Amino acid sequence: KQEVTQIPAALSVPEGENLVLNCSFTDSAIYNLQWFRQDPGKGLTSLLLIQSSQREQTSGRLNASLDKSSGRSTLYIAASQPGDSATYLCAVGTYNQGGKLIFGQGTELSVKP
Amino acid sequence: GAGVSQTPSNKVTEKGKYVELRCDPISGHTALYWYRQSLGQGPEFLIYFQGTGAADDSGLPNDRFFAVRPEGSVSTLKIQRTERGDSAVYLCASSADRANEQFFGPGTRLTVL
Repeated sequence: KQEVTQIPAALSVPEGENLVLNCSFTDSAIYNLQWFRQDPGKGLTSLLLIQSSQREQTSGRLNASLDKSSGRSTLYIAASQPGDSATYLCAVGTYNQGGKLIFGQGTELSVKP
Repeated sequence: GAGVSQTPSNKVTEKGKYVELRCDPISGHTALYWYRQSLGQGPEFLIYFQGTGAADDSGLPNDRFFAVRPEGSVSTLKIQRTERGDSAVYLCASSADRANEQFFGPGTRLTVL
């Protein structure tokens, strides 16, 4: 059974810092991994999708990497801004679990001005 | 184009009542998913439709929960004899096909008194 863990559960940084959020998963037979952002009381916004054949994806100040063999992904945020404050969720699609995504519990990020 | 929409945005009901939650996916998306999110947790899978059929309903917690997608577009999640433990945010997502990027709606916050 796939399990997804995100560390840390919460993170507070001053504006301008570069930061890394971590995601680990137990079953490496994944077909993709998605990073999402969730603002309080809102739905999920897709940030990056990495297919299992890819090693990384970039969008603006965000870079996500994937190491399937070790069961890890990282989300790197460059030059953090107060507007980046939100909960970041990692989710994996696994071959033997149909089309569903299995989510981690999220990392709550606070960027202080 | 329009994203995933969900109605109502909030639903308050009394224990024992019946509720229906609606999801309107992105036009042309054949895959539709329902998830449930409790406070401080990542979303948990409920059911996945490919077209009109439920391809995976393994996440439905019990037989009080049922979902339909009769024409392969709009889906309705139905909960009978609601219990206080059903209180959560119910999220809907759609994708072009299984294993593609999932796009989420804003969710329906269900409160059972």
